[in-house]
Amino acid sequence: GENVEQHPSTLSVQEGDSAVIKCTYSDSASNYFPWYKQELGKGPQLIIDIRSNVGEKKDQRIAVTLNKTAKHFSLHITETQPEDSAVYFCAAATGANNLFFGTGTRLTVIP
Amino acid sequence: DTAVSQTPKYLVTQMGNDKSIKCEQNLGHDTMYWYKQDSKKFLKIMFSYNNKELIINETVPNRFSPKSPDKAHLNLHINSLELGDSAVYFCASTTGTAGSPLHFGNGTRLTVT
Repeated sequence: GENVEQHPSTLSVQEGDSAVIKCTYSDSASNYFPWYKQELGKGPQLIIDIRSNVGEKKDQRIAVTLNKTAKHFSLHITETQPEDSAVYFCAAATGANNLFFGTGTRLTVIP
Repeated sequence: DTAVSQTPKYLVTQMGNDKSIKCEQNLGHDTMYWYKQDSKKFLKIMFSYNNKELIINETVPNRFSPKSPDKAHLNLHINSLELGDSAVYFCASTTGTAGSPLHFGNGTRLTVT
């Protein structure tokens, strides 16, 4: 099955700085790569996703890049704010939504 | 209105007991899931149902039995609870189309003492 690795496990940045989280996947057939944000006491919530026919996608302060050849994808958050503090998960899926999640990154934005 | 709702939010019980967690989605989705999140925050799929039919059954002890009375509900029954079952259990749903996002509930924190 798919194996998704995520780094770093914890990340602290100053407010206003950028944060980058990286993931690698093992199954070259994976074609859907969502990112989820989990706040304390809540379920994961989709923040951005990318499909294998696209190399980069941006939504305001959040961007995701995908390198299919190297089998890695990254989340970039610019101008970080305290409310960005949460646990972030990458995931990879092949076909019908059997999502395999990374191990999570706890992001802390220091005011 | 909460799109995916789970009850209860917290569940504390003793080893050996049997308990159930309920999940309902009002999004009209065809596919529902149960995920388990351990103390290290690792999210692992347990079951997937599409239109009341079991699609995915990962390596989960058969003490765990999902039941889907209709496509809007997926309940999880756990027999003979063990200490290692302590975790947060998340229900999720999706349209079932490849590449459609999952919508998660807010989780049920199960503590087995």
